[in-house]
Amino acid sequence: AQSVTQPDIHITVSEGASLELRCNYSYGATPYLFWYVQSPGQGLQLLLKYFSGDTLVQGIKGFEAEFKRSQSSFNLRKPSVHWSDAAEYFCAGPDMMFSGGYNKLIFGAGTRLAVHP
Amino acid sequence: DGGITQSPKYLFRKEGQNVTLSCEQNLNHDAMYWYRQDPGQGLRLIYYSQIVNDFQKGDIAEGYSVSREKKESFPLTVTSAQKNPTAFYLCASRTGTNTEAFFGQGTRLTVV
Repeated sequence: AQSVTQPDIHITVSEGASLELRCNYSYGATPYLFWYVQSPGQGLQLLLKYFSGDTLVQGIKGFEAEFKRSQSSFNLRKPSVHWSDAAEYFCAGPDMMFSGGYNKLIFGAGTRLAVHP
Repeated sequence: DGGITQSPKYLFRKEGQNVTLSCEQNLNHDAMYWYRQDPGQGLRLIYYSQIVNDFQKGDIAEGYSVSREKKESFPLTVTSAQKNPTAFYLCASRTGTNTEAFFGQGTRLTVV
């Protein structure tokens, strides 16, 4: 079983609508977690990161994410989606399934976002 | 400017040939990573290295090899033992365990 999972493979929203992309994790200790975005054929760009402290973190391009320990989630949100947000989004964190996993950075399967005009 | 450089961007090889993908960083990062990306499967970790002359297998290391002789460089060799090597390969680096990773632009390998 993976430490980081993204249950939604594809999501389609209308431009201007709100967005929430789901990320679940399975850790005992407080993890560090990231959200990245990837445009086709490109590398990954960091949107935001959570290490500790405030559970609501702000990122670039108007994105935010909330760490909820009770739900084992770190969902990415944006209040109003723009057509340029169409891309693939990845949640990432350490692989806590084995000893020494803090060094091992793993990714969820990704969520592909389509934006309708 | 600091960053991670992967080369080449596109690579074509015949089946049965070994091929080496280059990854160089000038960010002074200790840790480096190689990922393979296939449609619908996200990024899967091949190998990672925390320091020079040390590296660990990731989740899909079979058919791949790496070296870490210099802090700046982490080349990946795709050997003939890799049964399905055609994919998009991404290299990343970071300063430490709880910091974000920075990515190169990737190498698309096609084996024919």
